[in-house]
Amino acid sequence: NAGVTQTPKFRVLKTGQSMTLLCAQDMNHEYMYWYRQDPGMGLRLIHYSVGEGTTAKGEVPDGYNVSRLKKQNFLLGLESAAPSQTSVYFCASEPGGSYTGELFFGEGSRLTVL
Amino acid sequence: KNQVEQSPQSLIILEGKNCTLQCNYTVSPFSNLRWYKQDTGRGPVSLTIMTFSENTKSNGRYTATLDADTKQSSLHITASQLSDSASYICVVSAAAGNKLTFGGGTRVLVKP
Repeated sequence: NAGVTQTPKFRVLKTGQSMTLLCAQDMNHEYMYWYRQDPGMGLRLIHYSVGEGTTAKGEVPDGYNVSRLKKQNFLLGLESAAPSQTSVYFCASEPGGSYTGELFFGEGSRLTVL
Repeated sequence: KNQVEQSPQSLIILEGKNCTLQCNYTVSPFSNLRWYKQDTGRGPVSLTIMTFSENTKSNGRYTATLDADTKQSSLHITASQLSDSASYICVVSAAAGNKLTFGGGTRVLVKP
């Protein structure tokens, strides 16, 4: 079972460049999330989705956009990368609805913006 | 503001010894508290999930406790192994909207 798969795992960008991170899950989960993790800080929610075709802002959404065109995929886009977006990005999913259990995380995507 | 504070930030223990990690939270209304283990360069993996009515829950050598009155939790690692070297993250879920608040984690290093 693949679970939650993130691509790419590593990327280096120059300031102003754009890119998209892809998250794919094969567990038929409704809810999907994008977090960023910075040294000494807890994971912070960027955007999330509660189902195909829906997206919502999290705690730190500025500078990012997302799309959920297919249930299994959740894309995170950076239109004009900034050094402050250097971070490790994690995608997570869960069944959704009344479920209040475990979040399933991907392995992370390390992004460096020069 | 919902907050989750973990202590210590890091600790070093010898293989075979026990250790206890602390988590204090101010999340309200409370739904559940989770402990995750995150190996270096990997995504977090769930260890335990506890609801309001649960005082303790074990997963192998990991035992989590919850005191909902004082809003404190602890994670006890028994007979530590080198593979326990990781960051341990406390996550509290709010009942309203199932919003998660993450602690900053405790980095544990087990030395032979």
